[in-house]
Amino acid sequence: EVQLVESGGTLVQPGGSLRLSCTGSGFILSDRYLDWVRQTPGKGLKWVGRSRNRANSYSTEYAASVKGRFIISRDDSKNSLYLQMTSLKTEDTGVYYCVRVGDDGNWFDPWGQGTLVTVSS
Amino acid sequence: DIQMTQSPSSVSASVGDRVTITCRASQDIISWLAWYQQKPGKAPNLLIYAASTLQSGVPSRFSGSGSGTEFTLTISSLQPEDFATYYCQQAKTLPFTFGQGTKLE
Repeated sequence: EVQLVESGGTLVQPGGSLRLSCTGSGFILSDRYLDWVRQTPGKGLKWVGRSRNRANSYSTEYAASVKGRFIISRDDSKNSLYLQMTSLKTEDTGVYYCVRVGDDGNWFDPWGQGTLVTVSS
Repeated sequence: DIQMTQSPSSVSASVGDRVTITCRASQDIISWLAWYQQKPGKAPNLLIYAASTLQSGVPSRFSGSGSGTEFTLTISSLQPEDFATYYCQQAKTLPFTFGQGTKLE
């Protein structure tokens, strides 16, 4: 069964840093693009960033609102994807999902269960 | 960024009803559109991709249509487990963007 499991979400103060992890199973992570998507009650679903596969040198893309503050990385030996978040803002609050990108298009399946990040003083 | 607008924002329906949800893109996305279902406390689940292709395991009462800037998701005969929130997503251009959601209640 293809599965993604996120961890690392917690309460953090504005200006702080946090690293989220996503561990995959049931498929070869290095072969696939993996993205992060955030969900907030007020603003719905928002795409955060992308890690392309090994064949594309794990190159990354970011939403404008997080570029320069967030970094996506991988560790193949741990079947893991990471989201390093710095200079956190209250508007970064939300549930962060790790998602696998489709073979034939930029749709997302499956999604992890999500991890909640709350940025508040 | 491509803006995705869903209508209606919520819809009241009954078991057995036929329901249609519309998603409009601010520019031509050809057929690069996906639909997701989300139940409370759960992650979204892919229902349809490429505008009209049913994801494996999704019941055939779900169907998608459209191209260009206007798309629809239809549930032919609502079942109790279909009461959820539905989102469209454009898959053509970074940054990928989602509609605001349609709550089926």
